[in-house]
Amino acid sequence: DTAVSQTPKYLVTQMGNDKSIKCEQNLGHDTMYWYKQDSKKFLKIMFSYNNKELIINETVPNRFSPKSPDKAHLNLHINSLELGDSAVYFCASSQRTGSSGQETQYFGPGTRLLVL
Amino acid sequence: DAKTTQPNSMESNEEEPVHLPCNHSTISGTDYIHWYRQLPSQGPEYVIHGLTSNVNNRMASLAIAEDRKSSTLILHRATLRDAAVYYCILSQVGASKLTFGTGTRLQVTL
Repeated sequence: DTAVSQTPKYLVTQMGNDKSIKCEQNLGHDTMYWYKQDSKKFLKIMFSYNNKELIINETVPNRFSPKSPDKAHLNLHINSLELGDSAVYFCASSQRTGSSGQETQYFGPGTRLLVL
Repeated sequence: DAKTTQPNSMESNEEEPVHLPCNHSTISGTDYIHWYRQLPSQGPEYVIHGLTSNVNNRMASLAIAEDRKSSTLILHRATLRDAAVYYCILSQVGASKLTFGTGTRLQVTL
């Protein structure tokens, strides 16, 4: 069974379109994340939700809107897609352990977005 | 965020041990040292983490310097499937997010 799954795996679309990427985790974790990996392979946090509440928002354009319908799902909706949005988007999940810093994150396989 | 420094790339022969170094001279007393790796076309994968003592698990060992300013990830017998980018990350108390650097690209050859 896949622990963290993402759909779609590949997404090719035109500039200006609106698209969504879905993420589901079956690990029973309470925290989920979206990361972006650009063409230079830098991996950066975008958002994090804990128990359906936004806890991290790393200066991402407001064209990106995460939505967490429940603890097991975190979707990413992108409006008015731009060429620079082309990247691989990874979803991850973890179980918060209070303040310890020992959390292990489990990543999905990624969604490869290409904006033409 | 406390910063880590890793070599850009390393090479190893298959079946030999690999020592991947990481410097983190500005580490704070409560930062955990985490290692993740990213195989080609896959998401990052947890490898190991520790605070002060050396750690072993089925994937690797983590050796932490006494002053905690550096650490070494040890793969005891590298295989072709270990070829990946290895990231050394400091996990701050309460921060929750992972701040990835550029990592070390490990090449394993026959």
